[in-house]
Parts: sequence; C-alpha cells; structure tokens
Amino acid sequence: DVKVTQSSRYLVKRTGEKVFLECVQDMDHENMFWYRQDPGLGLRLIYFSYDVKMKEKGDIPEGYSVSREKKERFSLILESASTNQTSMYLCASRATVRRNTEAFFGQGTRLTVV
Amino acid sequence: AQSVTQLDSQVPVFEEAPVELRCNYSSSVSVYLFWYVQYPNQGLQLLLKYLSGSTLVKGINGFEAEFNKSQTSFHLRKPSVHISDTAEYFCAVITNTGFQKLVFGTGTRLLVSP
Repeated sequence: DVKVTQSSRYLVKRTGEKVFLECVQDMDHENMFWYRQDPGLGLRLIYFSYDVKMKEKGDIPEGYSVSREKKERFSLILESASTNQTSMYLCASRATVRRNTEAFFGQGTRLTVV
Repeated sequence: AQSVTQLDSQVPVFEEAPVELRCNYSSSVSVYLFWYVQYPNQGLQLLLKYLSGSTLVKGINGFEAEFNKSQTSFHLRKPSVHISDTAEYFCAVITNTGFQKLVFGTGTRLLVSP
C-alpha cells in the first residue's frame, strides 16, 4: 500500500523558532510537494522537488525553505516561525516515470505558532 | 502557468439529490485533471482522474466527471448523494510536460443534509 508519512499530526511552536516538518514516502517517487491549506484558499503550493537535491519554488515560498537529501524524504523548514504561518501543511508525492499518476498525500500537520 | 477555478465555495444539497461541482482550468499545454476528496481531519484521497481517451471518467463512491476541452472544464457529478459524501472536494491540474507542478483549486465544501 502506498504510504506518505508526516512526522507530526499537531505541532505548537513559538514565534521565532526554527521549525522542521518531515515527510517520508515509501514508493520511490521522484516528485514531492509541500502545500499549506487555509480555509477559503484551498491548497497552495509552497515548494516542490522533482529529484534528490532539486527543488522549485511554488506559489508561496516566502518564509520557507526545503531540503531533499534522500529520495524518500522531503523536509519543509520554517526559518523563523511567525503567527501567519499557522496552518495545515500537507505533503504529497508522485511518480513521473509514468507521467500520468496521481499524487498521494500524507495526513497533514496542523501547525500553530503562538 | 496553469490555474484552477472552483467557483462554488459551498454547495448545500439534500440527501438523494443529484449534485454537480464545477471546475474550470487554464493552461497553455496539455494537462491531466484530478478530483480529490478530503473528509474532516484527513488527508486528500483521489476520487478520479482524466489522463486521455474517453472524456467521461468514473471514480469511486459513484462519482463521475466529464472533461470538456473546448470549455476547459472538468465538472464532478453524482446522481444521488449520501450524507457520507459531506466533505471538501478539490479539483487539480498537472501539466504533462516540464516540471509537472500540481496545482489545486480553492475547494468546494459539499454539505448533504437529510
């Protein structure tokens, strides 16, 4: 069975902290994505990676960075957390060898910055 | 760049009534289209996808969608809804060339009442 695992379901962090959100997939997928989900705004793409050590900015990259040192793991980093980064964060992965596959999602991490 | 528009943020409907959730997209290249469903406190689950071929696509839970290239639409339909269909539905598009950025609409909340 396909599995995308996000390290935490719920996180509470203080303003100014450095925050790491981890995502691991077990499907040998090339593409991985980080989204944030906010009411009324849907899923907005923060960053995506199409291969190890390769990354592309999405639509809202400001305040975030990413790391992909191994194919199965894609980390989202909030360098200095702010209250406007309180949100639900969703990770997804997708294969590109066959360019018609859907993305598989983790359960999400609800981050609260206080 | 591609984009997705879901005009209806919320669709209330009575149980056993038909429903249509609208999705329009824009892209300068060929795309693949997806509908995902999100139940409360869960990640996203694929309902159906259009890759090529027949424009009428059938998915899980009795849902279907029709791809209309001339109208750049991919509307989701179900002839008779159940209470359990209450959820948020997201339309998504991915290009079949280049970096294959996966872009979502803002979502439509389907509210089914008895």
